[in-house]
Amino acid sequence: GEDVEQSLFLSVREGDSSVINCTYTDSSSTYLYWYKQEPGAGLQLLTYIFSNMDMKQDQRLTVLLNKKDKHLSLRIADTQTGDSAIYFCAERYGGSQGNLIFGKGTKLSVKP
Amino acid sequence: NAGVTQTPKFQVLKTGQSMTLQCAQDMNHEYMSWYRQDPGMGLRLIHYSVGAGITDQGEVPNGYNVSRSTTEDFPLRLLSAAPSQTSVYFCASSSSRGLGYTFGSGTRLTVV
Repeated sequence: GEDVEQSLFLSVREGDSSVINCTYTDSSSTYLYWYKQEPGAGLQLLTYIFSNMDMKQDQRLTVLLNKKDKHLSLRIADTQTGDSAIYFCAERYGGSQGNLIFGKGTKLSVKP
Repeated sequence: NAGVTQTPKFQVLKTGQSMTLQCAQDMNHEYMSWYRQDPGMGLRLIHYSVGAGITDQGEVPNGYNVSRSTTEDFPLRLLSAAPSQTSVYFCASSSSRGLGYTFGSGTRLTVV
C-alpha cells in the first residue's frame, strides 16, 4: 500500500540550513505537503507542491521534488530556534477522496 | 476566526464509556477527516467525508463512528472507550481543490 518515509530526527545549529527528506510510494500522488507541528499544537500547513513541479520556493523554504525517485525534500534556510518542531511530509494520493498519508514526522532541533 | 474548531481540548474517560468529539469548520470545505496521532506512529486516518451525507472508513476505523449531516460539522463518536484509544485526535478539512488540509488544535483523550 501507500507509504511515506521520513527520518525521525535532525539536529542543526542556528543559522545553518536544514534539509528534511521524505520518500513516498504512490506515483499517482497529485499534491505533496509539508506540515509543521509545534509542541501541544495542531498541524500547520507550511507549503505544498503539485506533482508536475520540480521545485517551489517560499521565503526561507525550498521544496524539491524528484518524481522519478519519489523523493521530496524541505530545505529551511537560516534555521532559527523558532523552527524547532516536528515536520510531517504528506501525500495526497490518487482518487477523488483526497485523503492524505503522513510520514511519522521528523523532529528538528535547532541549537543556539 | 475562520478555521477548524474542535471540542473538548482534553478529556478523560473510563473504559466502556462513550463520548462524541466535536468538529466544526466555517470555510465551506467539502472534505473533512479525523486522524489520531500516537507517538512514533504519525497520523492515521480514522474516517473521512467528501460531502454532507457521505462518509467512509480510513485506516483505523474500528471503535469509531461518524456522521456528516451538514457541511460544517463532522462529529466522531467513541462507542465504548478502550485504553487503546488513548491518543490525540485531529479533525481536518479541505476544499476539493487539494490545496492543503486545515487542522484543528486537537483533542487529547485519555482512557483509563
